[in-house]
Amino acid sequence: RKEVEQDPGPFNVPEGATVAFNCTYSNSASQSFFWYRQDCRKEPKLLMSVYSSGNEDGRFTAQLNRASQYISLLIRDSKLSDSATYLCVVNIYNAGNMLTFGGGTRLMVKP
Amino acid sequence: ETGVTQTPRHLVMGMTNKKSLKCEQHLGHNAMYWYKQSAKKPLELMFVYNFKEQTENNSVPSRFSPECPNSSHLFLHLHTLQPEDSALYLCASSILSQANTGELFFGEGSRLTVL
Repeated sequence: RKEVEQDPGPFNVPEGATVAFNCTYSNSASQSFFWYRQDCRKEPKLLMSVYSSGNEDGRFTAQLNRASQYISLLIRDSKLSDSATYLCVVNIYNAGNMLTFGGGTRLMVKP
Repeated sequence: ETGVTQTPRHLVMGMTNKKSLKCEQHLGHNAMYWYKQSAKKPLELMFVYNFKEQTENNSVPSRFSPECPNSSHLFLHLHTLQPEDSALYLCASSILSQANTGELFFGEGSRLTVL
């Protein structure tokens, strides 16, 4: 079983749509969670951290469900510029500064 | 403009060649990383250096040899690679004390093709 699992997509949505991605992780000792964004042929960049109580940053909302070991990312009012691959990332404190990346979910926002 | 610079951006080499990838970070960070990104696979952590000391070698074959002469520079020496080693090699850095904030700063990567 993969340590961090994501639906690779692609998710094709029209501008203005709301889209949600889920991610599951296998290690129940995982302590911190993040979403990264990677544009085509570019490097990954941190999008947002995921907090236990859920958190929002503009049009982006991240949620964590520890009991079910999944993380979600909701994007409202999708823009063309949101087209990218979204990487789910997990850190296990005891593993030091080693992040485990999911394979990514590709989002394509169409006009 | 990224604070982490990687050279070369593209590299084509034969299986008997020796080449090196270079990474330099201008962010004052004290941890540096090499990741491998292959098509349709998640990023794989290869090596971690904290304060210039290697702390992780994630079961990487010896044909990949890292070097970290100081906290700003990181090299990946390549020797007798295989075609399946063709991938995007990403360097990253972070502030060690804040490592669990999850913020890594990546370079744009070196795309390697092994013939």
